[in-house]
Amino acid sequence: ETGVTQTPRHLVMGMTNKKSLKCEQHLGHNAMYWYKQSAKKPLELMFVYSLEERVENNSVPSRFSPECPNSSHLFLHLHTLQPEDSALYLCASSQEPGENYGYTFGSGTRLTVV
Amino acid sequence: AQSVAQPEDQVNVAEGNPLTVKCTYSVSGNPYLFWYVQYPNRGLQFLLKYITGDNLVKGSYGFEAEFNKSQTSFHLKKPSALVSDSALYFCAVRVRITTSGSARQLTFGSGTQLTVLP
Repeated sequence: ETGVTQTPRHLVMGMTNKKSLKCEQHLGHNAMYWYKQSAKKPLELMFVYSLEERVENNSVPSRFSPECPNSSHLFLHLHTLQPEDSALYLCASSQEPGENYGYTFGSGTRLTVV
Repeated sequence: AQSVAQPEDQVNVAEGNPLTVKCTYSVSGNPYLFWYVQYPNRGLQFLLKYITGDNLVKGSYGFEAEFNKSQTSFHLKKPSALVSDSALYFCAVRVRITTSGSARQLTFGSGTQLTVLP
Protein backbone atom coordinates (compact mmCIF):
# COMPACT_ATOMS: atom_id res chain seq x y z
CA GLU A 1 0.00 0.00 0.00
CA THR A 2 1.32 3.44 -0.89
CA GLY A 3 0.57 7.04 0.02
CA VAL A 4 -1.20 8.25 3.13
CA THR A 5 -3.94 6.10 4.64
CA GLN A 6 -6.49 7.35 7.15
CA THR A 7 -8.86 5.24 9.21
CA PRO A 8 -11.72 5.20 9.76
CA ARG A 9 -13.17 6.98 6.71
CA HIS A 10 -16.32 7.88 8.63
CA LEU A 11 -16.93 8.20 12.36
CA VAL A 12 -20.04 9.10 14.30
CA MET A 13 -19.53 9.65 17.98
CA GLY A 14 -21.40 11.01 20.95
CA MET A 15 -20.13 13.91 22.97
CA THR A 16 -19.08 11.66 25.84
CA ASN A 17 -17.19 9.14 23.73
CA LYS A 18 -13.47 8.70 23.32
CA LYS A 19 -12.16 7.75 19.91
CA SER A 20 -8.96 7.97 17.90
CA LEU A 21 -8.20 8.76 14.29
CA LYS A 22 -5.28 7.00 12.68
CA CYS A 23 -2.98 8.05 9.88
CA GLU A 24 -0.21 6.01 8.30
CA GLN A 25 2.18 7.08 5.57
CA HIS A 26 4.17 4.72 3.36
CA LEU A 27 6.29 7.38 1.67
CA GLY A 28 9.28 7.53 3.97
CA HIS A 29 8.44 11.11 4.89
CA ASN A 30 9.65 12.66 8.14
CA ALA A 31 6.86 15.14 8.85
CA MET A 32 3.15 14.63 9.47
CA TYR A 33 0.25 17.02 9.92
CA TRP A 34 -3.37 17.16 11.04
CA TYR A 35 -5.70 19.60 9.30
CA LYS A 36 -9.36 20.31 10.01
CA GLN A 37 -11.64 21.10 7.09
CA SER A 38 -15.01 22.62 7.96
CA ALA A 39 -17.61 23.75 5.49
CA LYS A 40 -17.11 27.31 4.23
CA LYS A 41 -13.85 27.71 6.17
CA PRO A 42 -10.18 27.54 5.16
CA LEU A 43 -8.23 24.46 6.08
CA GLU A 44 -7.00 24.81 9.63
CA LEU A 45 -3.64 23.39 10.65
CA MET A 46 -4.04 21.64 13.99
CA PHE A 47 -0.75 19.87 14.73
CA VAL A 48 2.63 19.30 13.14
CA TYR A 49 5.33 16.74 13.82
CA SER A 50 8.37 17.72 11.79
CA LEU A 51 12.03 16.86 12.30
CA GLU A 52 11.27 15.85 15.89
CA GLU A 53 9.60 19.18 16.53
CA ARG A 54 5.98 19.27 17.62
CA VAL A 55 3.98 22.40 16.87
CA GLU A 56 0.46 23.04 18.03
CA ASN A 57 -2.08 25.56 16.85
CA ASN A 58 -2.96 27.35 20.06
CA SER A 59 -6.57 27.72 18.99
CA VAL A 60 -7.15 23.95 18.97
CA PRO A 61 -9.11 22.84 22.07
CA SER A 62 -7.53 20.42 24.50
CA ARG A 63 -10.18 17.83 23.69
CA PHE A 64 -7.98 17.06 20.68
CA SER A 65 -4.62 15.46 21.46
CA PRO A 66 -2.12 14.17 18.90
CA GLU A 67 0.30 11.30 19.17
CA CYS A 68 3.15 10.48 16.83
CA PRO A 69 4.88 7.26 17.96
CA ASN A 70 7.15 7.16 14.90
CA SER A 71 7.59 8.94 11.59
CA SER A 72 5.08 6.70 9.82
CA HIS A 73 2.14 6.89 12.22
CA LEU A 74 0.04 9.72 13.54
CA PHE A 75 -3.01 9.62 15.78
CA LEU A 76 -5.57 12.16 16.83
CA HIS A 77 -7.23 11.28 20.13
CA LEU A 78 -10.69 12.71 20.64
CA HIS A 79 -12.65 13.07 23.87
CA THR A 80 -15.75 14.98 24.97
CA LEU A 81 -16.15 16.61 21.58
CA GLN A 82 -18.74 19.19 20.66
CA PRO A 83 -21.07 19.23 17.64
CA GLU A 84 -19.02 22.07 16.12
CA ASP A 85 -16.09 19.65 15.92
CA SER A 86 -17.89 17.81 13.14
CA ALA A 87 -15.65 18.17 10.08
CA LEU A 88 -13.33 16.38 7.69
CA TYR A 89 -10.01 15.68 9.38
CA LEU A 90 -7.12 15.41 6.97
CA CYS A 91 -3.71 13.94 7.59
CA ALA A 92 -0.74 14.88 5.42
CA SER A 93 2.93 14.05 5.23
CA SER A 94 6.01 15.64 3.68
CA GLN A 95 9.75 15.28 3.50
CA GLU A 96 11.56 18.08 5.33
CA PRO A 97 13.42 20.20 4.67
CA GLY A 98 11.71 20.19 1.33
CA GLU A 99 10.89 23.49 -0.24
CA ASN A 100 10.58 21.64 -3.53
CA TYR A 101 7.89 19.35 -2.28
CA GLY A 102 4.28 19.76 -1.34
CA TYR A 103 2.29 17.58 0.98
CA THR A 104 0.67 14.23 0.32
CA PHE A 105 -2.80 14.06 1.85
CA GLY A 106 -4.90 11.16 2.99
CA SER A 107 -8.56 10.87 2.01
CA GLY A 108 -9.66 12.12 5.40
CA THR A 109 -11.95 11.01 8.21
CA ARG A 110 -15.44 12.46 8.12
CA LEU A 111 -16.32 13.02 11.78
CA THR A 112 -19.85 13.65 12.99
CA VAL A 113 -20.44 14.50 16.63
CA VAL A 114 -23.97 13.92 17.83
CA ALA B 1 0.95 37.27 8.33
CA GLN B 2 1.84 35.30 5.23
CA SER B 3 -1.24 34.16 3.39
CA VAL B 4 -3.01 33.49 0.14
CA ALA B 5 -6.44 34.67 -0.94
CA GLN B 6 -8.87 33.20 -3.40
CA PRO B 7 -11.33 35.96 -4.25
CA GLU B 8 -13.92 33.72 -5.93
CA ASP B 9 -15.93 31.11 -4.03
CA GLN B 10 -17.39 29.75 -7.26
CA VAL B 11 -16.30 29.69 -10.90
CA ASN B 12 -18.50 28.35 -13.67
CA VAL B 13 -17.21 27.68 -17.15
CA ALA B 14 -18.52 25.85 -20.20
CA GLU B 15 -16.78 22.69 -21.30
CA GLY B 16 -14.12 23.42 -23.90
CA ASN B 17 -13.64 27.01 -22.77
CA PRO B 18 -10.50 28.22 -21.00
CA LEU B 19 -10.68 28.44 -17.23
CA THR B 20 -8.92 30.61 -14.66
CA VAL B 21 -9.01 30.23 -10.88
CA LYS B 22 -7.50 33.22 -9.13
CA CYS B 23 -5.06 33.35 -6.25
CA THR B 24 -3.14 36.25 -4.74
CA TYR B 25 -0.48 36.02 -2.08
CA SER B 26 0.96 38.10 0.70
CA VAL B 27 4.42 36.82 1.55
CA SER B 28 7.66 38.38 2.65
CA GLY B 29 10.58 37.08 0.67
CA ASN B 30 10.33 34.53 -2.11
CA PRO B 31 7.06 32.61 -2.05
CA TYR B 32 6.69 28.87 -2.47
CA LEU B 33 3.23 28.49 -3.99
CA PHE B 34 1.08 25.44 -4.64
CA TRP B 35 -2.23 24.43 -6.17
CA TYR B 36 -4.24 21.48 -4.91
CA VAL B 37 -7.53 19.95 -6.06
CA GLN B 38 -10.11 18.17 -3.93
CA TYR B 39 -12.79 15.88 -5.30
CA PRO B 40 -15.85 15.06 -3.14
CA ASN B 41 -15.07 13.02 -0.04
CA ARG B 42 -11.39 12.87 -0.88
CA GLY B 43 -8.20 14.45 0.36
CA LEU B 44 -6.29 17.14 -1.48
CA GLN B 45 -4.26 16.20 -4.53
CA PHE B 46 -1.17 18.11 -5.63
CA LEU B 47 -1.47 19.86 -9.02
CA LEU B 48 1.59 22.04 -9.36
CA LYS B 49 4.05 24.27 -7.56
CA TYR B 50 6.15 27.37 -8.07
CA ILE B 51 9.48 27.51 -6.28
CA THR B 52 11.72 29.46 -8.62
CA GLY B 53 12.50 29.76 -12.31
CA ASP B 54 10.00 30.13 -15.12
CA ASN B 55 6.90 32.08 -14.23
CA LEU B 56 4.69 29.65 -16.13
CA VAL B 57 4.45 26.35 -14.30
CA LYS B 58 2.91 23.25 -15.84
CA GLY B 59 1.25 20.60 -13.72
CA SER B 60 -1.02 17.61 -13.74
CA TYR B 61 -4.12 17.08 -15.92
CA GLY B 62 -3.22 19.91 -18.33
CA PHE B 63 -3.27 22.63 -15.68
CA GLU B 64 -0.77 25.45 -15.53
CA ALA B 65 -0.25 28.50 -13.35
CA GLU B 66 1.39 31.83 -13.92
CA PHE B 67 3.44 33.45 -11.20
CA ASN B 68 3.25 37.24 -11.40
CA LYS B 69 5.47 38.98 -8.88
CA SER B 70 4.32 42.51 -9.65
CA GLN B 71 0.69 41.57 -9.14
CA THR B 72 1.45 39.05 -6.35
CA SER B 73 -0.71 36.52 -8.13
CA PHE B 74 -0.55 32.83 -8.95
CA HIS B 75 -3.61 32.10 -11.07
CA LEU B 76 -4.46 28.56 -12.14
CA LYS B 77 -5.35 28.09 -15.79
CA LYS B 78 -6.35 25.46 -18.31
CA PRO B 79 -6.86 26.11 -22.03
CA SER B 80 -9.86 23.81 -22.44
CA ALA B 81 -12.00 22.78 -19.47
CA LEU B 82 -13.46 19.30 -18.98
CA VAL B 83 -16.54 18.35 -17.00
CA SER B 84 -14.26 16.10 -14.95
CA ASP B 85 -12.31 19.18 -13.83
CA SER B 86 -15.25 20.14 -11.61
CA ALA B 87 -13.87 20.14 -8.08
CA LEU B 88 -12.70 22.34 -5.22
CA TYR B 89 -9.37 24.07 -5.87
CA PHE B 90 -7.03 25.38 -3.21
CA CYS B 91 -4.09 27.72 -3.50
CA ALA B 92 -1.43 27.41 -0.78
CA VAL B 93 1.80 29.02 0.35
CA ARG B 94 4.55 27.37 2.34
CA VAL B 95 5.47 29.31 5.44
CA ARG B 96 7.53 28.85 8.56
CA ILE B 97 5.32 27.98 11.53
CA THR B 98 7.39 29.59 14.28
CA THR B 99 10.16 32.13 14.14
CA SER B 100 12.65 29.87 15.91
CA GLY B 101 11.83 26.41 14.62
CA SER B 102 12.39 24.71 11.30
CA ALA B 103 8.90 23.31 10.81
CA ARG B 104 6.93 24.59 7.86
CA GLN B 105 3.28 24.51 7.03
CA LEU B 106 1.11 25.00 4.01
CA THR B 107 -1.34 27.84 4.55
CA PHE B 108 -4.35 27.42 2.31
CA GLY B 109 -6.80 29.78 0.73
CA SER B 110 -10.50 29.33 1.33
CA GLY B 111 -10.97 27.34 -1.86
CA THR B 112 -12.77 27.91 -5.16
CA GLN B 113 -15.47 25.56 -6.38
CA LEU B 114 -15.04 25.06 -10.11
CA THR B 115 -18.03 23.81 -12.06
CA VAL B 116 -17.60 22.92 -15.71
CA LEU B 117 -20.92 22.83 -17.52
CA PRO B 118 -21.44 20.35 -20.36
